[in-house]
Amino acid sequence: QVQLQESGPGLVKPSQTLSLTCTVSGDSIRSGGHYWSWIRQHPGKGLEWIGHIYYSGSTYYNPSLKSRVTISVDTSKNQFSLKLTSVTAADTAVYSCARGLLRYLDRSYYFDYWGQGTLVTVSS
Amino acid sequence: QSVLTQPPSVSAAPGQKVTISCSGSSSNIGNSYVSWYQQLPGTAPKLLIYDNNKRPSGIPDRFSGSKSGTSATLGITGLQTGDEADYYCVTWDSSLSAGGIFGTGTKVTVL
Repeated sequence: QVQLQESGPGLVKPSQTLSLTCTVSGDSIRSGGHYWSWIRQHPGKGLEWIGHIYYSGSTYYNPSLKSRVTISVDTSKNQFSLKLTSVTAADTAVYSCARGLLRYLDRSYYFDYWGQGTLVTVSS
Repeated sequence: QSVLTQPPSVSAAPGQKVTISCSGSSSNIGNSYVSWYQQLPGTAPKLLIYDNNKRPSGIPDRFSGSKSGTSATLGITGLQTGDEADYYCVTWDSSLSAGGIFGTGTKVTVL
């Protein structure tokens, strides 16, 4: 059974960098075939795609966040990470990691496993 | 980035049917597959439908999906109280701002 678990600080000060890690079990990131994704949900709001990374390090980011986001992968630890710089209160959200499947040829994209999510609050 | 538009809410009595629409454009739904997710209160989203109309193992056939042009639809028949949740569509946008995009979400209420 594939499991994903987010970890990282639950409180970040404004203007600082939000850093989260997703630890994957039950699947090997380096085996390829999946796109390891970050998604967030503002309190009481809908889901927002942040971006994803392939085991090779290839990334796609949400254009609205692209200037502040970096997603990286550590295949030796079977983890991938999210960094979001210059955070404001508007970045307060539940951040979730998910395993995605993407077929570029016919543009099929979906997420079959999700972490439980972790609330990150931006406040001084 | 483009937006996928869903109705904020739909409702029906137990046993009835609801449909949820997801409206996009030619750069996303128009040339990509759509997936659907159920998010029960306080839980992670769960994949219900992928590739427009395919159900993962364990998803009952009360849930169905379809796509036509730049819109997709999720149908739920035999509505149960346990279906009360938020539902989201997702697709890939292949415009200059390529990436994944979520629908605005729909709250299903079982009356």
